[in-house]
Amino acid sequence: EDKVVQSPLSLVVHEGDTVTLNCSYEVTNFRSLLWYKQEKKAPTFLFMLTSSGIEKKSGRLSSILDKKELFSILNITATQTGDSAIYLCAVEANSGGSNYKLTFGKGTLLTVNP
Amino acid sequence: NAGVTQTPKFRILKIGQSMTLQCTQDMNHNYMYWYRQDPGMGLKLIYYSVGAGITDKGEVPNGYNVSRSTTEDFPLRLELAAPSQTSVYFCASSYRGSLGNTIYFGEGSWLTVV
Repeated sequence: EDKVVQSPLSLVVHEGDTVTLNCSYEVTNFRSLLWYKQEKKAPTFLFMLTSSGIEKKSGRLSSILDKKELFSILNITATQTGDSAIYLCAVEANSGGSNYKLTFGKGTLLTVNP
Repeated sequence: NAGVTQTPKFRILKIGQSMTLQCTQDMNHNYMYWYRQDPGMGLKLIYYSVGAGITDKGEVPNGYNVSRSTTEDFPLRLELAAPSQTSVYFCASSYRGSLGNTIYFGEGSWLTVV
């Protein structure tokens, strides 16, 4: 059974801090890893990672994938209160033929205090 | 830009009642999904569809049914509501054609069974 484990499950920091969120996975026929940010409603897409060692960056957020060690990290620098959210990691894998499935981790609840 | 639209946003059901959560997308995506999200548990796949007329079970299909008569619509039916089905439900869609899988989510439906 495919497994995605995120850590920590929750984190409280102060504005300006830098945080690192972790995602490890065990899946068969890995295709990609995705990061989402979820505030009060639907998850919104942040990054998709398919190649090992290549950093994806968007403003203060960055992410990298290690396919050998089967994990990814999401870094947020100079955190702001608007970064408070649940961050979800998901792994896409081939489930047979041309079918793919997405397995989500439980998420990391990040709270940024002023 | 409508994207993925699901209704209703909120609903309270009594045990044993039935209801249908509606989902429609206007992006001509062939893949559609229903997820449920319980507090601290990430997203669990209920059912998915790879195209009109084709549906398949996800991780937690018991107590639910789906149909996919058109590309646009993917309703989720609860036949005999149980308190364990109290959750937030997300409909989503994606297009298979590019590497990886970027899913677009609806805004969510909050369902309480009492």
